Amino acid sequence: QVQLQQSGAELAKPGSSVKISCKASGYTFTSYYISWIKQTTGQGLEYIGYINTGSGGTNYNEKFKGKATLTVDKSSSTAFMQLSSLTPDDSAVYYCARFGRVYPLDYWGQGVMVTVSS
Amino acid sequence: DIVMTQAPLSVSVTPGESASISCRSSKSLLHSNGITYVYWYLQKPGKSPQLLIYRMSNLASGVPDRFSGSGSETDFTLKISRVEAEDVGIYYCGQLLENPYTFGAGTKLELK
Repeated sequence: QVQLQQSGAELAKPGSSVKISCKASGYTFTSYYISWIKQTTGQGLEYIGYINTGSGGTNYNEKFKGKATLTVDKSSSTAFMQLSSLTPDDSAVYYCARFGRVYPLDYWGQGVMVTVSS
Repeated sequence: DIVMTQAPLSVSVTPGESASISCRSSKSLLHSNGITYVYWYLQKPGKSPQLLIYRMSNLASGVPDRFSGSGSETDFTLKISRVEAEDVGIYYCGQLLENPYTFGAGTKLELK
């Protein structure tokens, strides 16, 4: 069965960076992109971007350019998102989701809570 | 950015009755290829969102046929007939026509 297993919760200080992972299983990893979505109570769901798991090409929401960096390791079927220069506004739950041409965001990871606090 | 506006923000439904959730986009989501790029997701309490409806009116795999999606270029409806306890959660519409993909604020469905 398709699964996206994300890394654990992060507690980070303002100005630092975190890198969260999303390990895929149960399907051919390079046949689907991986998207990343931010969820907060105030802003709801925000699309961050996606990565082409075959080529490594990326597509970002302009709002998250410079904040998020998406990478992939095909050998381990894992996608990564690094968040840099963290501020309290970056505190949120971050999801990865499989992105197919017909069925976008059809499988989601369990989410990673990132808390930015001094 | 395309703005997705949902209504109502919350709805309370008696089990066995039906519920409708509306979503309006600030721009037509009908592509020249004939596909309307609006999607519906359900986030059950404590869980990740799950895909319910894709391309406006198509049921995702494993989703009960009590769910249906319809609409035009900018106005969309998710209908749930014979609401069950497992349908409780927050429903989101989303547009995947153009970057940045955007979502509605969500509609919380509760049982009476």
